[in-house]
Order: sequence, then structure tokens, then C-alpha cells
Amino acid sequence: SQQGEEDPQALSIQEGENATMNCSYKTSINNLQWYRQNSGRGLVHLILIRSNEREKHSGRLRVTLDTSKKSSSLLITASRAADTASYFCAFMNSGYSTLTFGKGTMLLVSP
Amino acid sequence: GAGVSQSPSNKVTEKGKDVELRCDPISGHTALYWYRQSLGQGLEFLIYFQGNSAPDKSGLPSDRFSAERTGGSVSTLTIQRTQQEDSAVYLCASSLRGANEQFFGPGTRLTVL
Repeated sequence: SQQGEEDPQALSIQEGENATMNCSYKTSINNLQWYRQNSGRGLVHLILIRSNEREKHSGRLRVTLDTSKKSSSLLITASRAADTASYFCAFMNSGYSTLTFGKGTMLLVSP
Repeated sequence: GAGVSQSPSNKVTEKGKDVELRCDPISGHTALYWYRQSLGQGLEFLIYFQGNSAPDKSGLPSDRFSAERTGGSVSTLTIQRTQQEDSAVYLCASSLRGANEQFFGPGTRLTVL
């Protein structure tokens, strides 16, 4: 399996602080996506970055992609208690239409 | 509009029994995916349907697992002779053809006693 690796596995911060999660992969990819999961159920798509992009922003989210290092990071700025969730990176390998997910980072934001 | 729906939301079964899990994708989405998520783990790809093409079954863990998609819409994942290690949350997702973003259902939590 070419499952992605994420770190940290768990992150605990205070409201207002920034949270950074990292993802690494091993193959050539078309794009990398980040998803959020609350309470172990359905996932919600957050942001997608293509292989020819280096940085992308969406609201309080900032994603970077370094294809030479095969890594990506997700930054959540000014975190809120409502950001508490698990965050997964998922990448689409070149030539494929399916996503490979990392094991996720559990983020806890305390009020 | 309606999102991806799955039923049942929870299923408890005895070892050795067969189970069927249902997924209703978003209307108009030609791609449908099944994933499995064990406790505290990431998502494991199971099977992918795209329109009328032959499904990508490369993620199915054993021949006890099968899935079909009728009329290009509703999909059923069947697990025969369930084992305790099949206990997990089974997630379904759909997407538009050629699109990258997947929309997930709430999942079915399967517990095999």
C-alpha cells in the first residue's frame, strides 16, 4: 500500500494558536487533498492542491506542497474549538482516479 | 441538495452472517467509492465505480467482499461470512466524472460479534 504518512498523530493547542499538520507520500501525484472528519464519520473536503502548485489558501487554511520532498503541510490559523477534528491528507497518484489516504492527525483545540 | 446517504447507520451482526451495506450517491455523480476505516486508522480503499466501466476492485481485502452498482446509481457492498476483523466504519463517497473532490456519506458502523 502507498498510504501517506502524517505527523503529528495528535496535536493539542489553545484557541487562537496556529496548527500545522504534515503529510508525506512516496509516489508521483496529480493532486493532494485535505479532508476533515468529525466523530469518526463522514469526511468533508477542505482544499485541493495540484502537483504544479506550491501554495494555496482558503479562509484560515493554508496548504503547501513540495513535490521534490514529496510532502505537504496544512496550516490552520487562529484555531477555534470548532476546529477540533481529525484531518487527513489524500493524494491521487498519477494515472489513477482513486485517492490514497494518510492515517490522519487528531487536532484538539481547547477554549 | 441531498448529499450521499448510507444505510444502515449501524449494523451489529454475528460472525459468519452476511451483511449488505447501501450507498445512495449524489444525483448525477458518476463515480462512486467504498472505503473502510478501522478504529483510529485512515481510510482503506475498497472499490471504485465509474459510469458503466468495469469497477476497480483492487482494494477488496478478500473474496468475501463484493459490491455492485445498479443503474449507475445506488451501490451495495456485501460482506459474506463476516469475521470480527471486518468490524469497521464503511464509508461511501461519490464525485462528478473527472472531478477530484469526493463527497462522503456518514458511514455505516459495522460490528461483528
